[in-house]
Amino acid sequence: DTGVSQDPRHKITKRGQNVTFRCDPISEHNRLYWYRQTLGQGPEFLTYFQNEAQLEKSRLLSDRFSAERPKGSFSTLEIQRTEQGDSAMYLCASSLPVNTEAFFGQGTRLTVV
Amino acid sequence: EDQVTQSPEALRLQEGESSSLNCSYTVSGLRGLFWYRQDPGKGPEFLFTLYSAGEEKEKERLKATLTKKESFLHITAPKPEDSATYLCAVQAGKDSSYKLIFGSGTRLLVRP
Repeated sequence: DTGVSQDPRHKITKRGQNVTFRCDPISEHNRLYWYRQTLGQGPEFLTYFQNEAQLEKSRLLSDRFSAERPKGSFSTLEIQRTEQGDSAMYLCASSLPVNTEAFFGQGTRLTVV
Repeated sequence: EDQVTQSPEALRLQEGESSSLNCSYTVSGLRGLFWYRQDPGKGPEFLFTLYSAGEEKEKERLKATLTKKESFLHITAPKPEDSATYLCAVQAGKDSSYKLIFGSGTRLLVRP
């Protein structure tokens, strides 16, 4: 499978715990995006990487959220001190530098209890 | 502020009953408009990109069109497997931002 891969698919955590999600983009894609989606809404942009550089962050990305993309390959999104409001689907997408359409992974569904 | 509005929120069709979904946008400098399909519990699946007013693209029973203020996704003779949420998104602005701004989607149900 050469699509965008996300792990885990589902995560249940207790409030206050830290969680980390992983995204493996399509191999030749140098752009990588993180989005968050809640029920009945469209995805909301969180952050974007070009290679290993984080070029844009949304105001939605509070200081509890951090994303990395070491060596410009896979990326991780960490949420510290999770809150119930963090419960959502976290989507990763990647794209080529020339074509701007982004291809999404299957997402990680986070439930904070 | 850049904004994308989709209508209707939900649409029920009989198999074979053609219809259109609307995506209206208010952005500062449209660089691209994207349509995605999303099945429950899955990530969005790319359908089309439109770049300029008057552009049209087709794929099987779907046809996307673009004007200066809105885009339409026309569904001709839909089948039950076309049931999904259809998302519209824009890429906008004069800078090099590549983020997508999504609408809330239209949930389509096609009954046999």
